[in-house]
Amino acid sequence: SQQGEEDPQALSIQEGENATMNCSYKTSINNLQWYRQNSGRGLVHLILIRSNEREKHSGRLRVTLDTSKKSSSLLITASRAADTASYFCATDAVASGSRLTFGEGTQLTVNP
Amino acid sequence: GAGVSQTPSNKVTEKGKYVELRCDPISGHTALYWYRQSLGQGPEFLIYFQGTGAADDSGLPNDRFFAVRPEGSVSTLKIQRTERGDSAVYLCASSLRRGHGETQYFGPGTRLLVL
Repeated sequence: SQQGEEDPQALSIQEGENATMNCSYKTSINNLQWYRQNSGRGLVHLILIRSNEREKHSGRLRVTLDTSKKSSSLLITASRAADTASYFCATDAVASGSRLTFGEGTQLTVNP
Repeated sequence: GAGVSQTPSNKVTEKGKYVELRCDPISGHTALYWYRQSLGQGPEFLIYFQGTGAADDSGLPNDRFFAVRPEGSVSTLKIQRTERGDSAVYLCASSLRRGHGETQYFGPGTRLLVL
């Protein structure tokens, strides 16, 4: 079953704009990860944020985590057409061993 | 170095047939995971291995699904008496070791279509 819920389900923006995607989850977590998936391809790991962290940056990516609200956001700044993909959050829950539980994803389209 | 590879990339079969899907993890990775992704959904966990043993198979939907990793490297996911509802992309991932915070590296997936 899916633990996470992402919104929006789909997002369409112009190149150069920022894109923000949100993820909510239900159980206590060790960490939360964001993945990217191009159509028909495997998932690429973007960033991991641990439960004791509130914000993390990697290049044009900024991730926040609010464990009190059980939510996370992924911000992509200065978007490019090549950022067009589906983005998934995945939680590594305390009680789940090493498995990841994915949300349903946000389909991002960046128009040139 | 080489990433996770999966074969075949596509598999079309008829209802009731048996299929095997193969995963070659990154060399040296001890943990291996199988997920299933239906159209428009996120991946769902099936099973993971630490070495040769299945550490958690609670995601397998029923006893038609089975997976092995006999030498602690390559893994095979086996589906008996396939049903149309088994159609999905089957993703394999590996990580250096088992544990929280270990990055899982995904393969390109096998797209299974059951007619």
